[in-house]
Amino acid sequence: EVQLLESGGGLVQPGGSLRLSCAASGFTFSSYAMSWVRQAPGKGLEWVASVSGNGESLYYVDYLKGRFAISRDNSKKTQYLQMNSLRVEDTALYYCAKVTEWSTGAFDIWGQGTMVTVSS
Amino acid sequence: QSALTQPPSVSGSPGQSVTISCTGTISDVGNYNRVSWYQQPPGTAPKLMIYEVSKRPSGVPDRFSGSKSGNTASLTISGLQAEDEADYYCSSYTTSSTYVFGSGTKVTVL
Repeated sequence: EVQLLESGGGLVQPGGSLRLSCAASGFTFSSYAMSWVRQAPGKGLEWVASVSGNGESLYYVDYLKGRFAISRDNSKKTQYLQMNSLRVEDTALYYCAKVTEWSTGAFDIWGQGTMVTVSS
Repeated sequence: QSALTQPPSVSGSPGQSVTISCTGTISDVGNYNRVSWYQQPPGTAPKLMIYEVSKRPSGVPDRFSGSKSGNTASLTISGLQAEDEADYYCSSYTTSSTYVFGSGTKVTVL
């Protein structure tokens, strides 16, 4: 069964850091780009970042560059999102998503999400 | 990168058709056929319903169809059913090699 399982969320103070993980199973992980998408409480979906299958190409939404870093370890079939200098507005459910093929620009498999709460 | 523009809500009676628009720019929707649509019932993860403007993944009912004209893409749900009640989001690849989602549309089945 194709599955994505996120972990690493929690409560953190403003200015703190968290690292999210997403463990994949059921498909050839290294063949697909992966992404993070977040959803603030009661709000819409927001694309955060993507990483190519080999981990060499990284893409970010402009206003998160420098604070967030996406990476992957294909030997562990896991992708990561390192989040630094966290702000209250980063509070959201963070979803891990698999990209179908880069040419299609679609996210076909989603995890259940991990909640990040930034509050003092 | 601004969110793609969708109507906040649409509604219809069972059996009717509803159409959701998704308006972007020449830098995203208008430049590529990499437009996709997602269904998100309350409390659940999004589900891919349409990709590459009009293609349906396996298992998605053919009541769901997509199209595009210029900078605007559309999702049509024909033969509306109670189970279709959810939030729907469009998404597009952009000329900056990034992705952008729409603002979301709540579909209500009357």
